[in-house]
Amino acid sequence: DAGITQSPRHKVTETGTPVTLRCHQTENHRYMYWYRQDPGHGLRLIHYSYGVKDTDKGEVSDGYSVSRSKTEDFLLTLESATSSQTSVYFCAISRVKNTGELFFGEGSRLTVL
Amino acid sequence: QQQVKQSPQSLIVQKGGISIINCAYENTAFDYFPWYQQFPGKGPALLIAIRPDVSEKKEGRFTISFNKSAKQFSLHIMDSQPGDSATYFCAASDPSGTYKYIFGTGTRLKVLA
Repeated sequence: DAGITQSPRHKVTETGTPVTLRCHQTENHRYMYWYRQDPGHGLRLIHYSYGVKDTDKGEVSDGYSVSRSKTEDFLLTLESATSSQTSVYFCAISRVKNTGELFFGEGSRLTVL
Repeated sequence: QQQVKQSPQSLIVQKGGISIINCAYENTAFDYFPWYQQFPGKGPALLIAIRPDVSEKKEGRFTISFNKSAKQFSLHIMDSQPGDSATYFCAASDPSGTYKYIFGTGTRLKVLA
């Protein structure tokens, strides 16, 4: 258990509505990540953070924004959800300093109707 | 190129058999190669990992074989058990120092009892 909590775990929303997913960690790690998982695509990086207020884009960042105002919380926002954003979203932290191996939360399943 | 190509997409193995999953990468700067195991409804969990200066790493029934010249690595599961039935992802670390990982598309393994 890497001390990662994602909320909500499940959400159904309508196209065009804003959605915020929260990732909370209890271990004070510097690096945090948001990935999405889709069949046939594996895990793809959306955004990541390397410190409070320090964030950067991943390979599939269009339509997503993030914020990190505290070390323990990393928020992923879909400003106007689209059906293509229906996915399972995973938050991860990098725990081991030398190798940076990722440890994942349990995921948030988002359905956009 | 930042891709990591994983095969096969799915695999069925008899109990006690050997499961083999292969991955190939293109970026020779990748410097760390973990494998993740994911059960339904759960986040991926780190299984085993290897650095490119090592040709093989074994942990229990799980072995990574690494071929640096071919830019390929594989996961071998010896004496496969029904409890090993899961989705497996290979990954490679982005060498930028931000611990970003590129993931393969996943292999769904089913071990028949």
